[in-house]
Amino acid sequence: AQSVTQLDSQVPVFEEAPVELRCNYSSSVSVYLFWYVQYPNQGLQLLLKYLSGSTLVKSINGFEAEFNKSQTSFHLRKPSVHISDTAEYFCAVSASWNRDDKIIFGKGTRLHILP
Amino acid sequence: GAGVSQTPSNKVTEKGKYVELRCDPISGHTALYWYRQSLGQGPEFLIYFQGTGAADDSGLPNDRFFAVRPEGSVSTLKIQRTERGDSAVYLCASSPTGQINNEQFFGPGTRLTVL
Repeated sequence: AQSVTQLDSQVPVFEEAPVELRCNYSSSVSVYLFWYVQYPNQGLQLLLKYLSGSTLVKSINGFEAEFNKSQTSFHLRKPSVHISDTAEYFCAVSASWNRDDKIIFGKGTRLHILP
Repeated sequence: GAGVSQTPSNKVTEKGKYVELRCDPISGHTALYWYRQSLGQGPEFLIYFQGTGAADDSGLPNDRFFAVRPEGSVSTLKIQRTERGDSAVYLCASSPTGQINNEQFFGPGTRLTVL
């Protein structure tokens, strides 16, 4: 079975500063990895995903994440955050051998942008 | 186009009562998922439908929980003899095919409170 650990429940960061949200996963098989975002009073949205190929994946709003198999990590980064990035971010994993496998979510990290 | 909708947005009930939560997926999406999100936790998988059939119901916590999707579109999650521990936000998501490399689109959720 797969599992996801997001060690930081909350991350405060000043506007225009860089941020890293940490995600580690556990799995005995190859995985797909995801970051979902939940903005205040909105539903979950897919931010970016790693399925195969390049280990560095990027979103349209400046976030990126790198799949590191040896460290079983998929940390999310942004070089300069904005107030609009205030949200809760969920890392998620699924087994890649089973194309219909369910997604397992982490507990989430709440990103607070300080003015 | 219209996204995933869920009704009601809020439901307050008394311990021991029966509740039904409804999900309207995006038109044409064959896959439908139910998740439960408790306070401070990430979404927890409950059940996955492919068309009318439940392809994976391994996440249903016990036999008080049941879900149907009789015509392969709208789904209803049914909870019998509700308990205070059932209080959570119940999320529904749909996907074009159900294969894991397809994005899941989430609804806004139904907040269930059991008094």
